[in-house]
Amino acid sequence: RKEVEQDPGPFNVPEGATVAFNCTYSNSASQSFFWYRQDCRKEPKLLMSVYSSGNEDGRFTAQLNRASQYISLLIRDSKLSDSATYLCVVDGYSSNYQLIWGAGTKLIIKP
Amino acid sequence: DAGVIQSPRHEVTEMGQEVTLRCKPISGHNSLFWYRQTMMRGLELLIYFNNNVPIDDSGMPEDRFSAKMPNASFSTLKIQPSEPRDSAVYFCASRWDSENIQYFGAGTRLSVL
Repeated sequence: RKEVEQDPGPFNVPEGATVAFNCTYSNSASQSFFWYRQDCRKEPKLLMSVYSSGNEDGRFTAQLNRASQYISLLIRDSKLSDSATYLCVVDGYSSNYQLIWGAGTKLIIKP
Repeated sequence: DAGVIQSPRHEVTEMGQEVTLRCKPISGHNSLFWYRQTMMRGLELLIYFNNNVPIDDSGMPEDRFSAKMPNASFSTLKIQPSEPRDSAVYFCASRWDSENIQYFGAGTRLSVL
């Protein structure tokens, strides 16, 4: 089993729709969780950290479910500019520096 | 803040040649990471430096790869000799240790023919 698993997609979604991704992680001791966004031929950029209580940033909402070991990302009122690959990232429990990267979920927003 | 700066942005070379990739981390960050990204394997950590000292190089694929960080504002990743299977995008990222968030450079797209 991979340490961080994501559905690779692509998710083809009409503009204005709501879309959600999940990501599962294998180690229950992990403490830090992130969503990064990577545009085509660009570098990964932090979208948001994921807190135990869940957090929201505009149209984006992230949730953590420790019992089931998954994190989710919800995008409301999707825009064409949301088209990207979304990377789920979990800290390496055995070190204070390692991040374990999911392979990413590709999202395509269609007009 | 200029962010993490990598050079060159693109490199095309022939098999057997030496390739040197460069990275300037964000000023004040004390951790630096080199990653390689391919379609097949995703994002892989190659090496991690903390306060200019290599801490974990277990991801370096083989002896052909080497990395240095002579000071807090500069790091290099060298491949000698290069092979076609080294073709990938190489990212450098830096971090301030009090927060576990990595900031990436724009990457170097390497093609070895």
